[in-house]
Amino acid sequence: DTAVSQTPKYLVTQMGNDKSIKCEQNLGHDTMYWYKQDSKKFLKIMFSYNNKELIINETVPNRFSPKSPDKAHLNLHINSLELGDSAVYFCASSQLHKNTEAFFGQGTRLTVV
Amino acid sequence: AQSVTQLDSQVPVFEEAPVELRCNYSSSVSVYLFWYVQYPNQGLQLLLKYLSGSTLVKGINGFEAEFNKSQTSFHLRKPSVHISDTAEYFCAVIDHTGRRALTFGSGTRLQVQP
Repeated sequence: DTAVSQTPKYLVTQMGNDKSIKCEQNLGHDTMYWYKQDSKKFLKIMFSYNNKELIINETVPNRFSPKSPDKAHLNLHINSLELGDSAVYFCASSQLHKNTEAFFGQGTRLTVV
Repeated sequence: AQSVTQLDSQVPVFEEAPVELRCNYSSSVSVYLFWYVQYPNQGLQLLLKYLSGSTLVKGINGFEAEFNKSQTSFHLRKPSVHISDTAEYFCAVIDHTGRRALTFGSGTRLQVQP
């Protein structure tokens, strides 16, 4: 039973399209994250939600909008996709204020053509 | 704010040889430290973490790391590597308070050769 699951694993789409990536965790954590890994493998935080409340919102284009319908789900919607959005997007979860590590999903490889 | 520096982007090593992957961090507050491993086309898996207490921490797959506060380092070591250890390794920190999101280093590619 996968702890943090993301769908889809691969996403190929044309410039200008709108797409969503879904994430679900079954660990009972109260905090979820989206990270972006670029072509050089660098990982950077994009957003974080704690109990459905946005607590981290890094300098990310407005075209990216996270949505958390409940504590177990955090989706990422991207409007008007650009070539530079091509990357691997990772969802993660943790229990805030506890000394636990973040658990990561398998990643979604987004390719914009 | 925190920053993490992994000094080596690639580390080639022969099978059964020892290896050390270096990590230095900078932070104005106390941090927790982590090492994650990423196998090809997979997510990140925790190898080990330092929260407090003994500065030598042991993790999965025979890896260990030592926290050195004075040198702000958290180097990862393994006495004898296997081909299956070939992967990308990331050092990360998180502060005790505040925004509570991992700050990652740029990663070190460990390439184990037969």
